[in-house]
Amino acid sequence: GAGVSQSPRYKVAKRGQDVALRCDPISGHVSLFWYQQALGQGPEFLTYFQNEAQLDKSGLPSDRFFAERPEGSVSTLKIQRTQQEDSAVYLCASSPQGAQRQPQHFGDGTRLSIL
Amino acid sequence: GESVGLHLPTLSVQEGDNSIINCAYSNSASDYFIWYKQESGKGPQFIIDIRSNMDKRQGQRVTVLLNKTVKHLSLQIAATQPGDSAVYFCADFLTGGGNKLTFGTGTQLKVEL
Repeated sequence: GAGVSQSPRYKVAKRGQDVALRCDPISGHVSLFWYQQALGQGPEFLTYFQNEAQLDKSGLPSDRFFAERPEGSVSTLKIQRTQQEDSAVYLCASSPQGAQRQPQHFGDGTRLSIL
Repeated sequence: GESVGLHLPTLSVQEGDNSIINCAYSNSASDYFIWYKQESGKGPQFIIDIRSNMDKRQGQRVTVLLNKTVKHLSLQIAATQPGDSAVYFCADFLTGGGNKLTFGTGTQLKVEL
């Protein structure tokens, strides 16, 4: 399909392990966003890319969280030394342009469970 | 920080009735609002948006109303169908706050047959 694709859909890791979550945005979309959604809550902003530039990482909860988008398309969210409180659904979204106000289109997320 | 909240966590309606989902926002600098629908196991799906220079916008079976005086947003769904059952979020952009969306907690809409 032509939507935002995320992989894996489910990830189970032991506390202390590193994980990497992948996002394939809609082709040609300039902006890419990562959100974290806890059970029963709305998504919370983590970080934002415009092309390959990470313009806002104010929502990353700690220095264990790292995101990259080296070629301005696919993005990876990496979490090092995972902890139980990292368990959540991680959502990726993209939008066509950079600065304008416009809807963000979401993928179905990666459900991360830390044991 | 700013918050976007919802009045009711759960709303039950009969099939065919109209649904109204409410949302309050706290920051008067919010300039763009979006309603999303999220089904279980899926990502948020865009429904309709409205900019702060408007007070009403209509889509297919949906209408969004914005009252900037009381900082209130509502989503009206006409002739609610079983497929409308989902969690509904309002989200806003803050003027000068970059491109990040701030979401409320969500309202669970349950459509009874």
